[in-house]
Amino acid sequence: DAGVIQSPRHEVTEMGQEVTLRCKPISGHNSLFWYRQTMMRGLELLIYFNNNVPIDDSGMPEDRFSAKMPNASFSTLKIQPSEPRDSAVYFCASSLRPPLGGAFFGQGTRLTVV
Amino acid sequence: EDKVVQSPLSLVVHEGDTVTLNCSYEVTNFRSLLWYKQEKKAPTFLFMLTSSGIEKKSGRLSSILDKKELFSILNITATQTGDSAIYLCALKAAGNKLTFGGGTRVLVKP
Repeated sequence: DAGVIQSPRHEVTEMGQEVTLRCKPISGHNSLFWYRQTMMRGLELLIYFNNNVPIDDSGMPEDRFSAKMPNASFSTLKIQPSEPRDSAVYFCASSLRPPLGGAFFGQGTRLTVV
Repeated sequence: EDKVVQSPLSLVVHEGDTVTLNCSYEVTNFRSLLWYKQEKKAPTFLFMLTSSGIEKKSGRLSSILDKKELFSILNITATQTGDSAIYLCALKAAGNKLTFGGGTRVLVKP
């Protein structure tokens, strides 16, 4: 299994631009999580889906952030418009539900907004 | 709101030392507690604990959960420089929500 696949691995964009991060979960996993990691705030849960349905988006910072999961094998996290304070590493993770093991992480997307 | 607090924030030890990392939590509907190791990139899964008092062990790492006192510890014995990492504790609650603590940064010096 290829594991959780995220793209792009690195993104540098100018303030005000739209950014789309992509995630392909492990096949057969039915929970998907989006996290943001910074030195100051650690790993923050932004949103998670069970069976493609958003369950809890209380961690999404503001309306500039949106996430979708149109099918079991793909999810996107969009930031529009981006701001310098959005610079962070964004991780996607997937797991089985009920949890038969841990959630497995993708390699992350390092986003820099200048 | 579910809460995960890890301590210490960081520690420095020498090779061969034993370290004990702490994770305390507050949760409404507990499902499991997980430990992860994060080196340069993504967190990698170490253990999942669901029952009190049952130790999980993998090599020099071990972990145990106390659901009455709401904490878990992760022990690393005979530390090596390769154990240097951030260790993350995470709480899985009802609905499969996974919340992470702030992590403990461990540095093992030769």
